[in-house]
Amino acid sequence: KAGVTQTPRYLIKTRGQQVTLSCSPISGHRSVSWYQQTPGQGLQFLFEYFSETQRNKGNFPGRFSGRQFSNSRSEMNVSTLELGDSALYLCASSWAGGRNTEAFFGQGTRLTVV
Amino acid sequence: GNSVTQMEGPATLSEEAFLTINCTYTATGYPSLFWYVQYPGEGLQLLLKATKADDKGSNKGFEATYRKETTSFHLEKGSVQVSDSAVYFCALSDTGANNLFFGTGTRLTVIP
Repeated sequence: KAGVTQTPRYLIKTRGQQVTLSCSPISGHRSVSWYQQTPGQGLQFLFEYFSETQRNKGNFPGRFSGRQFSNSRSEMNVSTLELGDSALYLCASSWAGGRNTEAFFGQGTRLTVV
Repeated sequence: GNSVTQMEGPATLSEEAFLTINCTYTATGYPSLFWYVQYPGEGLQLLLKATKADDKGSNKGFEATYRKETTSFHLEKGSVQVSDSAVYFCALSDTGANNLFFGTGTRLTVIP
């Protein structure tokens, strides 16, 4: 079956702009999480959505937001981009997100802010 | 709070050498523990997991045992191959598999 699909793969934006990233989970998966990966901070959890509701949230400013649609697809938005937002953004999906389930990751969207 | 500490990398080993990557954690609850691997240009893949104390996760010759008394989850492999070259991440979750706290990652390079 198809894996987790993230679009676009690469993106270049200018400081101050906003950006929307998209994630299509594995069919049947209802939990979608977003992570930011940078050389300095490593992998950090942004937020998790389950059945269109934000279920968990990491420690990021309000410029980072997300949503999930009824088909479980998710989007992440970053407003007023800063140079430090340059990163690989990874999406992960799982069936329910419980202790015994597995999270499957997409290949990521590499965002460069100039 | 939750945190994961991994041994600093990069690590370079010769083919067929024994691998150990140390991982220790702190958690407020009773977490599940994971090892993920990231090959160049790709996303993360789950390598193995353990959900309770003394559980041993294993996959592709890699093993790790959940040690609650030492709060550790060290990754081991008896004989590494060039194809094992990748970045390895230790992670924990206390609320579910899709809310993960990651270590900083260890880059492993295996030379022939």
